[in-house]
Amino acid sequence: DAKTTQPPSMDCAEGRAANLPCNHSTISGNEYVYWYRQIHSQGPQYIIHGLKNNETNEMASLIITEDRKSSTLILPHATLRDTAVYYCIVSVLTGGGNKLTFGTGTQLKVEL
Amino acid sequence: DAGVIQSPRHEVTEMGQEVTLRCKPISGHNSLFWYRQTMMRGLELLIYFNNNVPIDDSGMPEDRFSAKMPNASFSTLKIQPSEPRDSAVYFCASKSNSGRGDTQYFGPGTRLTVL
Repeated sequence: DAKTTQPPSMDCAEGRAANLPCNHSTISGNEYVYWYRQIHSQGPQYIIHGLKNNETNEMASLIITEDRKSSTLILPHATLRDTAVYYCIVSVLTGGGNKLTFGTGTQLKVEL
Repeated sequence: DAGVIQSPRHEVTEMGQEVTLRCKPISGHNSLFWYRQTMMRGLELLIYFNNNVPIDDSGMPEDRFSAKMPNASFSTLKIQPSEPRDSAVYFCASKSNSGRGDTQYFGPGTRLTVL
């Protein structure tokens, strides 16, 4: 699986949009970009994923650059409950299950 | 749906003892994953199953670790004998292979402390 690079930490004011960047310059054509987050002491939680088109769901938006070498996760109106470690992962679908390799992620701190 | 269920939630044991962690995946899910999380190494995939068959166990650290999935609704991760360096939070996750089937659902984890 391709490797990703994320900033170790970011701060965001409550109510503002949180934009979390991820670089994946060695991504291959059949690899998806996944985002998960982990709130302290809980299991990771799926947020969103995409291949090359931008995606939006009830939690967030995912913007993937045209060359697919980087992406941005957008939390449109961050709340204190969004404080968590956010993981950007690239992965292919393999043999019935996609194998996710978690890096160190970005610690997002949402403050008043 | 109750989500992925793991037991016990906390386990404290002494070095050399056998430890068995349990996982019940979400009903209808085809794939099951065991992960380990430590401060030093982060979140690592240990092994995963598809339709109860182990597909990739390359992340299992040593022969002391073994995992089984006797049926679609139950899996175990066993450590025998346990060592202090096995102390970690162990997560189980499951996933459906139907439809878009791309989301892994994680359990709450088992915090293992080996003294």
